Amino acid sequence: SQQGEEDPQALSIQEGENATMNCSYKTSINNLQWYRQNSGRGLVHLILIRSNEREKHSGRLRVTLDTSKKSSSLLITASRAADTASYFCATEVLTEKLVFGKGTKLTVNP
Amino acid sequence: EPEVTQTPSHQVTQMGQEVILRCVPISNHLYFYWYRQILGQKVEFLVSFYNNEISEKSEIFDDQFSVERPDGSNFTLKIRSTKLEDSAMYFCASSEQGARGQPQHFGDGTRLSIL
Repeated sequence: SQQGEEDPQALSIQEGENATMNCSYKTSINNLQWYRQNSGRGLVHLILIRSNEREKHSGRLRVTLDTSKKSSSLLITASRAADTASYFCATEVLTEKLVFGKGTKLTVNP
Repeated sequence: EPEVTQTPSHQVTQMGQEVILRCVPISNHLYFYWYRQILGQKVEFLVSFYNNEISEKSEIFDDQFSVERPDGSNFTLKIRSTKLEDSAMYFCASSEQGARGQPQHFGDGTRLSIL
């Protein structure tokens, strides 16, 4: 797999349910970031987790990082229709350049 | 909340023509970036810019591409002779000083369509 591959590619859930998205990467990283993209809009930064951190929370978001498995997960709890968007992980390796995955398209049905 | 603004939102250009995409980064940010997203594909890094010079560029960023910070607020991407495969969404981003480990703030993008 390539650097920053999300899984699943698409996820459809009901409002109130939790959504979990996974990201795998190949090389050692400085940090990993999650972004959201609403249709036709730019990328919105959600959360950054550094390589020496294992878990981070921000509101309804919970991100984990397992550097031994080179993987991260994003959990959105108690999802809302407004959470419908594409979610991308992006890794920062040696420089400020971000390497993005293809994203997970999340649909939250009311 | 301060934001990155990009103009135009949509640019249609004939193949072979020059195009300039404009960005106004967040005012106290010092690192600037361009990324592009071809329809249905990943967001790809093009170039990063700091202290009035390119700090890194990708293989995509060939001699047809250039960036400039012509004044204290604008950051531009120029494509000299556009090709059909340049059609994509182009995103500008900026981050604060000490950028490594800082989130990048993205604009809403310019959709470039080459005919």
